Amino acid sequence: QKEVEQNSGPLSVPEGAIASLNCTYSDRGSQSFFWYRQYSGKSPELIMSIYSNGDKEDGRFTAQLNKASQYVSLLIRDSQPSDSATYLCAVNPSGTSYGKLTFGQGTILTVHP
Amino acid sequence: SQTIHQWPATLVQPVGSPLSLECTVEGTSNPNLYWYRQAAGRGLQLLFYSVGIGQISSEVPQNLSASRPQDRQFILSSKKLLLSDSGFYLCAWSRGSAGELFFGEGSRLTVL
Repeated sequence: QKEVEQNSGPLSVPEGAIASLNCTYSDRGSQSFFWYRQYSGKSPELIMSIYSNGDKEDGRFTAQLNKASQYVSLLIRDSQPSDSATYLCAVNPSGTSYGKLTFGQGTILTVHP
Repeated sequence: SQTIHQWPATLVQPVGSPLSLECTVEGTSNPNLYWYRQAAGRGLQLLFYSVGIGQISSEVPQNLSASRPQDRQFILSSKKLLLSDSGFYLCAWSRGSAGELFFGEGSRLTVL
């Protein structure tokens, strides 16, 4: 069974700090990796996608991928209270068509003023 | 731009009653469409996906079914709901080879 594991959290950081969210996956052949943000009671929103090893930056968000270690992370710089949400890591396993993602259980992030 | 709509947003149904959830996508043609479920305390689970009209693939055996009567319409149904069908149902579409998945607003179902 192809699995995606995330730090269960919850993770609490002060406003302005860096929040670090981690995710590991079991299928070594996975090619596509995504981070979603889900506010309480709302649907998941795509915030980052990454396909190759290294870092990808978008504003205050940086996704990091290490395929050799089967590890993907999300860094949120200058965290704001509005970043408080559940963050879902998702992977497109090998041998599956696009969009058939395997999701982790999510990490709850709380940014306190 | 592409948008995806789901309805109803919330519903409470008795055990044994039927179910119909609808989803439509605007601004794109021939999208891949998906139904996911997020149950309390559990991750997102893929239920069905469709690559075209009338083409449905089921991922999990259950008492639910899906249909795609039009290119941009996806319907999730059940003839008789179970308590275990309660959850947050999410319709999604994906574009091209990037694999990115975009979700609708969701339909929250409570079966009593």
